[in-house]
Amino acid sequence: DGGITQSPKYLFRKEGQNVTLSCEQNLNHDAMYWYRQDPGQGLRLIYYSQIVNDFQKGDIAEGYSVSREKKESFPLTVTSAQKNPTAFYLCASTIRGGQSQETQYFGPGTRLLVL
Amino acid sequence: RKEVEQDPGPFNVPEGATVAFNCTYSNSASQSFFWYRQDCRKEPKLLMSVYSSGNEDGRFTAQLNRASQYISLLIRDSKLSDSATYLCVVNNDMRFGAGTRLTVKP
Repeated sequence: DGGITQSPKYLFRKEGQNVTLSCEQNLNHDAMYWYRQDPGQGLRLIYYSQIVNDFQKGDIAEGYSVSREKKESFPLTVTSAQKNPTAFYLCASTIRGGQSQETQYFGPGTRLLVL
Repeated sequence: RKEVEQDPGPFNVPEGATVAFNCTYSNSASQSFFWYRQDCRKEPKLLMSVYSSGNEDGRFTAQLNRASQYISLLIRDSKLSDSATYLCVVNNDMRFGAGTRLTVKP
């Protein structure tokens, strides 16, 4: 089945640790996105990538880093610089970036909890 | 002003009611709009696109008002299973509204 997978489903981090969230898609989509959602809030854009080896900051990129070495993979690292990382992290993709009328497909999300 | 704004609700309606949500956007150049549905602790899923002329999918109707820069979602004959958070998306900017929470009660 084609789709987006995120792992792990739940992730616990100690303060001061970096953690990496995985996002993989087999939809052959060019563009991928990372969002953060806090309880009772909407989605906020962290980073996005429209093509391999290229990515741009979203609204809340501070304390996060990404890479896009392969088309199907867009891992997100939550660094120790992110002071309030506890949230629900959602990865999404679209067929092509920068196009109107592009539907976003979401992965199931990763819940990160800082201990 | 936020780029995309929604009334957070919650909207509590009885089964069978008609309910409508609005979503305003600030970028007048925006071209594509969507409504997503998000169930508790799940990822958002596409409900419907919003076309300039308005569009309908069963009990759901989406409208776009470019002059006033808002989109709307109308749900007729509400079902218990419609209970969820409804997110609007302005896709050019990849900006989501904060969502409107709907609870349909028996």
